[in-house]
This record gives sequence, structure tokens and C-alpha cells, in this order.
Amino acid sequence: SQQGEEDPQALSIQEGENATMNCSYKTSINNLQWYRQNSGRGLVHLILIRSNEREKHSGRLRVTLDTSKKSSSLLITASRAADTASYFCATDDSGSARQLTFGSGTQLTVLP
Amino acid sequence: DAGVIQSPRHEVTEMGQEVTLRCKPISGHDYLFWYRQTMMRGLELLIYFNNNVPIDDSGMPEDRFSAKMPNASFSTLKIQPSEPRDSAVYFCASSRRLAGNTGELFFGEGSRLTVL
Repeated sequence: SQQGEEDPQALSIQEGENATMNCSYKTSINNLQWYRQNSGRGLVHLILIRSNEREKHSGRLRVTLDTSKKSSSLLITASRAADTASYFCATDDSGSARQLTFGSGTQLTVLP
Repeated sequence: DAGVIQSPRHEVTEMGQEVTLRCKPISGHDYLFWYRQTMMRGLELLIYFNNNVPIDDSGMPEDRFSAKMPNASFSTLKIQPSEPRDSAVYFCASSRRLAGNTGELFFGEGSRLTVL
């Protein structure tokens, strides 16, 4: 089963609006990562937040992490049509191997 | 750096045929991962290597799937014989460190496999 589950599954907003995507996970983690995937392309790493961090910023991206609730959110401010993509959260598996497990993703559509 | 390179980008084959997918990781990355992406199951980790050695292949669905990494710059994922349910996009990714040690993954563009 997948470690992370994103919410909502799909999100459609107007250009200039903010987009918020949420991710819940099940086990303890060392860090949580967000990736972006444009249609027909590979995934691209956006940002990583460690388990001892609560908030992190990178350009128009803001990520929060609440380990007590096992949840994270990704906020994209002042969205652009070029932000249209699928966004995935990923966590390092709590098992000994510590490989990355991906959620089901949020499909974001930014309308011009 | 050219990034992770996968080939072929698209493969259409008939049930029962052998399929070989290829990957060249980023130079200097010690970890290589094979993922499969489908609408139904999302992204699944199939197998990963560390320094060319397979570490965890628990995600490989069946014995029909095999993966090798003969050297640090090349890996293959083979399906023999292929079945329609193997149709998916197969991604190769590489990293310097494991995710648990804050390693980020660098993905290739994927190989879209269609088995008729």
C-alpha cells in the first residue's frame, strides 16, 4: 500500500490564485519530499522537509509538516498556467531499507 | 550533466515477447531505482541497487521481471514473457543517498510500455 495519500485528487484554480495540496502518511519518517510531474515526463524534485522541521520555503513554494498528525501540505502561491502538473508527496519508508514511497498525487490545473 | 537517460521512450509489443528497458544513471550516483507507474496503482518501487548490487527487489511483481546493473553506468529491467497487465510507464531514478538520508531522486523521462 502507498505510504502517502494526497488530497485533493484533483484541483482546478485560476491563474494568480494559491493552490494547497495535502499529504497524509502512516509511519514514522526521516523526511518528506514533494515532486512534480508534467504530463508525459519524469518526476522532478521540488522540496524536502526534515522530520524536525515544521515549515520550509522555496520561491513560491511553502511546505509544512506536522509529524503528530502525520501530514504535510504544499502551498503554491500566485499560481501560473505553467504550474499545471501532478504533485506527489514521498516519504522514506520506516523500514530498514529507507527507500522512497510515493503517494497517489494531486492533479493541479491552473487556468489562464 | 545529461540527467538519467532511459530507452526506449515507447515500446509496443505483443504478449509473450521479451522486453528490455535500459537506464543510464547520473554519474556519481550510488543508488539506482526502478519504479512502475500506472493509473490504478500509482508509483511502485520495483527494485533498487546500491553500488551495482541489488538491495531490495521485494517490489518485483513476478519471476517474469528481472533487473541487472552490470556496472555503475548501466542498468536493465527485463520482462519475459510480457503480459498485457505489464503495460505501464517504467521509470529509472538515481540518487547520491537513500531517502532516509535526505537523498532526492533524479528521474528519467520514463519508458512507456504497451503489451498487446
